[in-house]
Amino acid sequence: DIQMTQSPSSLSASVGDRVTITCRASQNINNYLNWYQLKPGTAPKLLIYAASSLQSGVPSRFSGSGSGTDFTLTISSLHPEDFATYYCQQSYSTMFNFGQGTKLEI
Amino acid sequence: EVQLVESGGTLVQVGGSLTLSCAASGFTFDSYSMNWVRQAPGKGLEWVSHISSRSSMKYYADSVKGRFTISRDNAKNSLYLQMNSLRAEDTAVYYCARDHPEWVGSFDYWGQGTLVTVSS
Repeated sequence: DIQMTQSPSSLSASVGDRVTITCRASQNINNYLNWYQLKPGTAPKLLIYAASSLQSGVPSRFSGSGSGTDFTLTISSLHPEDFATYYCQQSYSTMFNFGQGTKLEI
Repeated sequence: EVQLVESGGTLVQVGGSLTLSCAASGFTFDSYSMNWVRQAPGKGLEWVSHISSRSSMKYYADSVKGRFTISRDNAKNSLYLQMNSLRAEDTAVYYCARDHPEWVGSFDYWGQGTLVTVSS
């Protein structure tokens, strides 16, 4: 199985900060990497697919990059509504597993 | 508007069985692959199962293989997850999620989830 490892596990930041979350795959997954946002009591939201493609309706302050085994999600300037937990997920193999999550706190 | 509404979650005993349903609307259901994803209390997201648009391909996480069965009824715009031999560690909110039309394995729409509690 492909293991997905995110860092950090938690992150404290302020409104207006630039934030980067890292995701590492245990083997080459090309660009088969997706990012989601999860807030308590709400459905998960797809932010980025194919490593760098912005999902329709997602603000442009979110961006993704990377290929192979190393990927990043960047939020260019934090808004109050961005405080949430973020997950990466690989779709290279048919075991579509997620990373352990990164909790972004004020 | 795309809508996915899960139902069927409840309290069930260890070793018991349960079937979850997901009612889809607002899109051409039989054109999309679908998935179940779960989140245990205080834990992260865990992909559970995937089914292709015509049910020709089905995949399962190792943690549920042999115990859970995914299915769909395209005439009823519905997705199902039959869960047998339930364990305490199956306790979670279960979400149904639609595959992205351009990128299989990424999930562009999700339901609000249904809670399954497995207790002894």
